Amino acid sequence: GAVVSQHPSWVICKSGTSVKIECRSLDFQATTMFWYRQFPKQSLMLMATSNEGSKATYEQGVEKDKFLINHASLTLSTLTVTSAHPEDSSFYICSAIDFRSYEQYFGPGTRLTVT
Amino acid sequence: AQKITQTQPGMFVQEKEAVTLDCTYDTSDPSYGLFWYKQPSSGEMIFLIYQGSYDQQNATEGRYSLNFQKARKSANLVISASQLGDSAMYFCAMSVNRDDKIIFGKGTRLHILP
Repeated sequence: GAVVSQHPSWVICKSGTSVKIECRSLDFQATTMFWYRQFPKQSLMLMATSNEGSKATYEQGVEKDKFLINHASLTLSTLTVTSAHPEDSSFYICSAIDFRSYEQYFGPGTRLTVT
Repeated sequence: AQKITQTQPGMFVQEKEAVTLDCTYDTSDPSYGLFWYKQPSSGEMIFLIYQGSYDQQNATEGRYSLNFQKARKSANLVISASQLGDSAMYFCAMSVNRDDKIIFGKGTRLHILP
């Protein structure tokens, strides 16, 4: 099946620094990617929809200036957590839509810990 | 707006028994899709099964089947002959279009007992 990768798989950063998470579709082109956040023992919450070549659409309550999303190509979307704080520590998961089949595939997730 | 409700936070089931995970949904859209995902402790989201709102028959994938009752707005997952490896978190989810954002329920943690 189609593969979506995320890098890094885990990251620890200090409070106040920024961290970038990459989401790549490895064997298909994805015009749309989604970013989710999952706190421990909770469900996945959609943060934003990322469309190639256009600005991301953020869900209500998600700070667009804090969570910068760039979908620069048909195979790559990045999420940058700016000025990270301990409350941003979470599991971040991306998903990508294969534009040929409309199937949605999830990445393996990135665990962010802010100290 | 769409909403997914999973009322079972946790379940314990004996190995080899069948298990049903409950899911109800709410949407005003006539066309929608329902998903079930498995999330083991590693965190990866594993797609299990999909049911379209216009599909006449209940979806089946190996040991997984989706009991789709449209009038009741329920989409329960049935796992036959449970295995120890089935222990995980299970999420019911839906989207309006197949290529649209997916909204997740709160999940059910399934424990399979040896």
